Amino acid sequence: AQTVTQSQPEMSVQEAETVTLSCTYDTSENNYYLFWYKQPPSRQMILVIRQEAYKQQNATENRFSVNFQKAAKSFSLKISDSQLGDTAMYFCAFTPPTASKLTFGTGTRLQVTL
Amino acid sequence: KAGVTQTPRYLIKTRGQQVTLSCSPISGHRSVSWYQQTPGQGLQFLFEYFSETQRNKGNFPGRFSGRQFSNSRSEMNVSTLELGDSALYLCASSSPGTSRYNEQFFGPGTRLTVL
Repeated sequence: AQTVTQSQPEMSVQEAETVTLSCTYDTSENNYYLFWYKQPPSRQMILVIRQEAYKQQNATENRFSVNFQKAAKSFSLKISDSQLGDTAMYFCAFTPPTASKLTFGTGTRLQVTL
Repeated sequence: KAGVTQTPRYLIKTRGQQVTLSCSPISGHRSVSWYQQTPGQGLQFLFEYFSETQRNKGNFPGRFSGRQFSNSRSEMNVSTLELGDSALYLCASSSPGTSRYNEQFFGPGTRLTVL
């Protein structure tokens, strides 16, 4: 069974600063997908970024980038130039390649302040 | 394209009743997955349907069931409701057979309260 661990329940960052959210996972599979999802308060879950395990290159989407360390089973999310609209719960998630079956971490609540 | 829609958005039921939640995926998406979100247990996978067949199932009791119709719309049913079934139920759709198959797009959820 796969597990996903997010060890930071809450984090705070000032607007325009950079913040890194941590995620580790455990799996015996060699190929899989990792995701970061964002859930703003009372709003729906949005996909932030996606990483395929067989790709060495770290994924990047505008201000969002990941540091994927396959051997260490680590998948952190870096948010650059933080904006107030980044305030949300962030979930790290894992899925095997042939199923739409996400295993989520417990989430990190990020607060962006002025 | 319209996003994933879920109805109803809010629901209040009493213990012992049953409930049916509905999910319409993004047009062209044939896979629908359901998740339960609670403060205590977090986000947990319930089941996935693809082409009207249940393809994966999470660790939930048999009171939780689902189905998918030929137009890919899906319903989930919870029978004999318990207080612990109070949760946000999320539906997500994805498009198997494409390079972005594993990307799931979520609906706004149905907030179920069991009294």
